[in-house]
Amino acid sequence: EAQVTQNPRYLITVTGKKLTVTCSQNMNHEYMSWYRQDPGLGLRQIYYSMNVEVTDKGDVPEGYKVSRKEKRNFPLILESPSPNQTSLYFCASRTGGDTQYFGPGTRLTVL
Amino acid sequence: QKEVEQDPGPLSVPEGAIVSLNCTYSNSAFQYFMWYRQYSRKGPELLMYTYSSGNKEDGRFTAQVDKSSKYISLFIRDSQPSDSATYLCAMSAWPGGGATNKLIFGTGTLLAVQP
Repeated sequence: EAQVTQNPRYLITVTGKKLTVTCSQNMNHEYMSWYRQDPGLGLRQIYYSMNVEVTDKGDVPEGYKVSRKEKRNFPLILESPSPNQTSLYFCASRTGGDTQYFGPGTRLTVL
Repeated sequence: QKEVEQDPGPLSVPEGAIVSLNCTYSNSAFQYFMWYRQYSRKGPELLMYTYSSGNKEDGRFTAQVDKSSKYISLFIRDSQPSDSATYLCAMSAWPGGGATNKLIFGTGTLLAVQP
């Protein structure tokens, strides 16, 4: 089944404790993105990747890092999480075509 | 001012009603317009995809784009309880978001269809 998977689905952590949210897609897609979804603000892009080893900032990259060492994986790294990074996170991928496929989401709470 | 404005609702309708969901936008460069449906605790899934102005129909769903007014709509006919979800409009100047893979989203409208 074609899909985008994320782990963990739910995470509660404390300020400053490094964490990684994994994203994997099995569709051989070149493009991948991370978005965060906040009430009243909608989905905003954090980082994107055009292919392996090619990544760049989106609209809200502060406090986040990404890497793309393999085509299927695009982890999101929070090296020192803060409460303002409490949010719902989505990974998305697509080929050169039109449709972006989204993962199921990771709900992160930073205390 | 946000690039895309969407009424957050919530919108509650009886089963069988016609639902109209709308977004306005300010960036005239947008050419590609999408509607995503997001069920509770799930990721957004693409519902409709249109290019430029005009209408597109898929079953009970019709997407309309009026670029002159910078206004897009999604109509749902014969609405069902299974249509209860948050509907997000999204748009881009390039197909799929182009090289930056970025879609600009509205904030979403929460729809509840009552049996």
